[in-house]
Amino acid sequence: GAVVSQHPSWVICKSGTSVKIECRSLDFQATTMFWYRQFPKQSLMLMATSNEGSKATYEQGVEKDKFLINHASLTLSTLTVTSAHPEDSSFYICSARGPIQPQHFGDGTRLSIL
Amino acid sequence: AQSVTQLDSQVPVFEEAPVELRCNYSSSVSVYLFWYVQYPNQGLQLLLKYLSGSTLVKGINGFEAEFNKSQTSFHLRKPSVHISDTAEYFCAVVDQGAQKLVFGQGTRLTINP
Repeated sequence: GAVVSQHPSWVICKSGTSVKIECRSLDFQATTMFWYRQFPKQSLMLMATSNEGSKATYEQGVEKDKFLINHASLTLSTLTVTSAHPEDSSFYICSARGPIQPQHFGDGTRLSIL
Repeated sequence: AQSVTQLDSQVPVFEEAPVELRCNYSSSVSVYLFWYVQYPNQGLQLLLKYLSGSTLVKGINGFEAEFNKSQTSFHLRKPSVHISDTAEYFCAVVDQGAQKLVFGQGTRLTINP
């Protein structure tokens, strides 16, 4: 089946640093990728939708300058959390979808900012 | 706007007992429906999906769901659960032609021996 790889799975870093998370579709071309944030014991919150070669569309309340999304190819999207602070600590999950497919999810990245 | 309601936040069940996780969605327009499972510290895995055709959909791990358009429901069922089914289950819907998945709040299924 379709596989989405997300890396890293866990990252711990100091406050003020920037962190990049990668999301790759391994066996299909992902025309659209999505980035979600999940707080403990809660559902997924969509942060942004990115189409290959276009600027990402951010959901209301999500800071585009804080969460930089790049979708430069049909198999790779990156989320960069800039100048991360403790309140950015969360579980970040990407998903990818081809033209006629349901979304397939990565295994998530647990981000801890000290 | 589309919304999804999972009526039970937690469902405790004994091993080998049947289980039903309830899901209702708001819109009556044509939709695609999904159930995902999330194990601790992992992403979401697709259990099953309804796109069209038969209203009874069979998925992985012995799960099935039935699409009921008149009741706008898509309840998930399994006739006999195992300890390994302990996880968080999310119902999701997307309007046909749209991109965004709308998720329910999730149901934590706990299997007791």
